Amino acid sequence: EVQLVESGGGLVQPGGSLRLSCAASGFTFSNYWMHWVRQDAEKGLVWVSRINPDGSSISYVDSVKGRFTTSRDNAKNTVYLQMNSLRADDTAVYYCARDSISVAYWGQGTLVTVSS
Amino acid sequence: EVVMTQSPLSLPVTLGQPASISCRSSQSLVYTDGNIYLKWFHQRPGQSPRRLIDEVSNRDSGVPDRFSGSGSGTDFTLKISRVEAEDVGVYYCMQGTHWPYTFGQGTKLEIK
Repeated sequence: EVQLVESGGGLVQPGGSLRLSCAASGFTFSNYWMHWVRQDAEKGLVWVSRINPDGSSISYVDSVKGRFTTSRDNAKNTVYLQMNSLRADDTAVYYCARDSISVAYWGQGTLVTVSS
Repeated sequence: EVVMTQSPLSLPVTLGQPASISCRSSQSLVYTDGNIYLKWFHQRPGQSPRRLIDEVSNRDSGVPDRFSGSGSGTDFTLKISRVEAEDVGVYYCMQGTHWPYTFGQGTKLEIK
């Protein structure tokens, strides 16, 4: 059974940092692109970043460029989202996802709240 | 950035009746490989989004055949042939052709 389990969310002050993790199981992790998507009440769903199977190609939405870094450890079947210089508008539920042909998997999400 | 515009934003439907959601993109979603990466997702309250349709009309594994997708270029439609109680929630179209991928605003389906 495919599972994606996010962790690392929480309350952080503006300007602070958090690292999210997404542990994958049930499939050959190193074969797939992995994605981070966030959701908040104001802006809805936003596709934040994507990373290719070997980590050599990474893309970010403009609103997080220069502040967020996506990486992966294929030996640990885990994808990460390092979030620095956090702002109030980064407050959201963050999902990791595998979006493949004929099937897609999303984790349950982890809540990040940026507030003083 | 490609803007995805859905209509209607609210959709009250009687059980057993059909439902239709429209999605329009601000530019063509035809990728260089000739495919159109237009997807539909369904999200129930308190749950993660679930993909229903990939590449305009391909139902994901396990998705009931009462769901169908169609369209081309910049205009796309999700249809539910007979709405069931479990279909309530918010439906999103999403384009995976141009980076950054973008979603529509969502259409909230409720039972009348």
